[in-house]
Amino acid sequence: EAQVTQNPRYLITVTGKKLTVTCSQNMNHEYMSWYRQDPGLGLRQIYYSMNVEVTDKGDVPEGYKVSRKEKRNFPLILESPSPNQTSLYFCASSPYNRFSTDTQYFGPGTRLTVL
Amino acid sequence: AQKVTQAQTEISVVEKEDVTLDCVYETRDTTYYLFWYKQPPSGELVFLIRRNSFDEQNEISGRYSWNFQKSTSSFNFTITASQVVDSAVYFCALSESEGGSEKLVFGKGTKLTVNP
Repeated sequence: EAQVTQNPRYLITVTGKKLTVTCSQNMNHEYMSWYRQDPGLGLRQIYYSMNVEVTDKGDVPEGYKVSRKEKRNFPLILESPSPNQTSLYFCASSPYNRFSTDTQYFGPGTRLTVL
Repeated sequence: AQKVTQAQTEISVVEKEDVTLDCVYETRDTTYYLFWYKQPPSGELVFLIRRNSFDEQNEISGRYSWNFQKSTSSFNFTITASQVVDSAVYFCALSESEGGSEKLVFGKGTKLTVNP
């Protein structure tokens, strides 16, 4: 079954404690991306990756890091989380083909609370 | 800079009505992509469609249709004969591709409520 998995689904942590949210896809997709969703601000892209070892900033990259060492995984790292990073996070993957209309798949979301 | 405007914050209709969700975008690029996503009350995100800027053909998928008009920079989404299960927040998004970037920018979303 084609899917994107995220872990953990829910996390409550404290300011400054490093954390990683994992994202994994089983479809051999080149393109992966992270988004955050906040009330009143909608969805905003944090980082994206067009292939292994190729990552780039989205609209709101501050305070986040990513890596793409293998095609299937795209972890989101918060080195020193702060309360303003409390949000709902989504990971997504899709084939990277400029003329593709292929489906983009989303993970189930990770609800993060930073106290 | 790219920008997406969904002017309708909330829409409420009665089942079986047709409803159009508006999306207006701004970009300086000639190569770009437009998307629609659905987020039902359960919270997951569902991809609906992706169109590239070279393909202005309208798209129909069951009760869903999309009207892409470069002349007005719009990519509107119509649901025909709406159903209660269509109740969701719908997001339009734009990705520019020139310069190697694939950054995606979303509109604020339109909350659609379909009443029985």
